[in-house]
Amino acid sequence: DTEVTQTPKHLVMGMTNKKSLKCEQHMGHRAMYWYKQKAKKPPELMFVYSYEKLSINESVPSRFSPECPNSSLLNLHLHALQPEDSALYLCASSQGRGEDEKLFFGSGTQLSVL
Amino acid sequence: GDSVTQMEGPVTLSEEAFLTINCTYTATGYPSLFWYVQYPGEGLQLLLKATKADDKGSNKGFEATYRKETTSFHLEKGSVQVSDSAVYFCALRVNSGYSTLTFGKGTMLLVSP
Repeated sequence: DTEVTQTPKHLVMGMTNKKSLKCEQHMGHRAMYWYKQKAKKPPELMFVYSYEKLSINESVPSRFSPECPNSSLLNLHLHALQPEDSALYLCASSQGRGEDEKLFFGSGTQLSVL
Repeated sequence: GDSVTQMEGPVTLSEEAFLTINCTYTATGYPSLFWYVQYPGEGLQLLLKATKADDKGSNKGFEATYRKETTSFHLEKGSVQVSDSAVYFCALRVNSGYSTLTFGKGTMLLVSP
């Protein structure tokens, strides 16, 4: 299994809603990532978890709250988002060490904030 | 800081044409270099990579050679297909504990029959 699975594929939410994005991998990877991608732009790193601990937070607003319940799962909790937060949210994973590091991406959640 | 510069798109080609997408980089360390491809509505897939100077990455007919002297990693394919239409991202990673990639802005490729 070389897949990173993200759910849901599409999400529409209001600015007062609370929702969660989910990501799962069963490759035994110890590093997991959240990226945000606006239309026609490259992905931007948001968070990195290594061995289930938050290692990197790229100054992301607190309305985005990541959680790593175990080594296979990564969540992104959303609360009081703004319309400018509408984007494709990509989860990725990697082994977490070594020169031959490769990132495996999920298909993403397309988020629309109304 | 680290950065990647890609040629502006879209690149529009006819089927079986030769493809080159230019990529140059600046990095403080000694980076690994990658090409990722993103098909419409999907996430990114690793296309090929190179970890040291003069390495050639190749996959599905695509090739790129790590040129340290020109700080480049240009993507080439001898004969493109309609199914190659996608956005191509060049990226680098300065070797560290995590795969925090620095991406270029992406180049859209459109191949017509």
